[in-house]
Amino acid sequence: QVTLRESGPALVKPTQTLTLTCTFSGFSLSTSGMCMNWVRQPPGKALEWLALINWDDDKYYSTSLKTRLTISKDTSKNQVVLTMTNMDPVDTATYYCARNVYFDAFDIWGQGTQVIVSS
Amino acid sequence: EIVMTQSPATLSVSPGERATLSCRASRRVSSKLAWYQQKPGQAPRLLIYGASTRATGIPARFSGSGSGTEFTLTISSLQSEDVAVYYCQQHNNWPLVAFGQGTKVEIK
Repeated sequence: QVTLRESGPALVKPTQTLTLTCTFSGFSLSTSGMCMNWVRQPPGKALEWLALINWDDDKYYSTSLKTRLTISKDTSKNQVVLTMTNMDPVDTATYYCARNVYFDAFDIWGQGTQVIVSS
Repeated sequence: EIVMTQSPATLSVSPGERATLSCRASRRVSSKLAWYQQKPGQAPRLLIYGASTRATGIPARFSGSGSGTEFTLTISSLQSEDVAVYYCQQHNNWPLVAFGQGTKVEIK
């Protein structure tokens, strides 16, 4: 059974750096084709894709946010980490990690973690 | 940038009736189009990938069609448990992955 679980701070202050961790089970990110993504959703708004890392350690970022994002993986721990710098109240959202295979649709999602940016 | 435009924003359908949701891409995305269902307080769930292939465990009343820039999700007979927001997503052009703004389906 494939499961994903996001973790991280529920509250961050403006200008701080957010670090989120996705811990997964049921597959290995070193397997050819495996990719992991971060997606966010502000309250009452649509989904927004943020970043992807794949089995070969290739990384892709949202063009609008790429200067603020870093995605990395620890294959031995089955974890993917996203950092977002210079947080702002508009970054308040639920952050999801999601898996896809060979850049296809996102077949498995975590339950999401809510992040509020406020002083 | 690729923009995904969904219509209508809200769709009210009587139980047992057909619901038709549309998604338009600002440029061709081949058949790399997915549909997701999101119920209140839950994570999105994959319904359709490759424009027309149902994901594992998805009921047959959900179907997808289209290619290029125009896509449709059809719920053939709306059930109460289908009340949700539905999002389309193109995954043909990386890193220009984009979601639509969503269509809310409610019971009339």
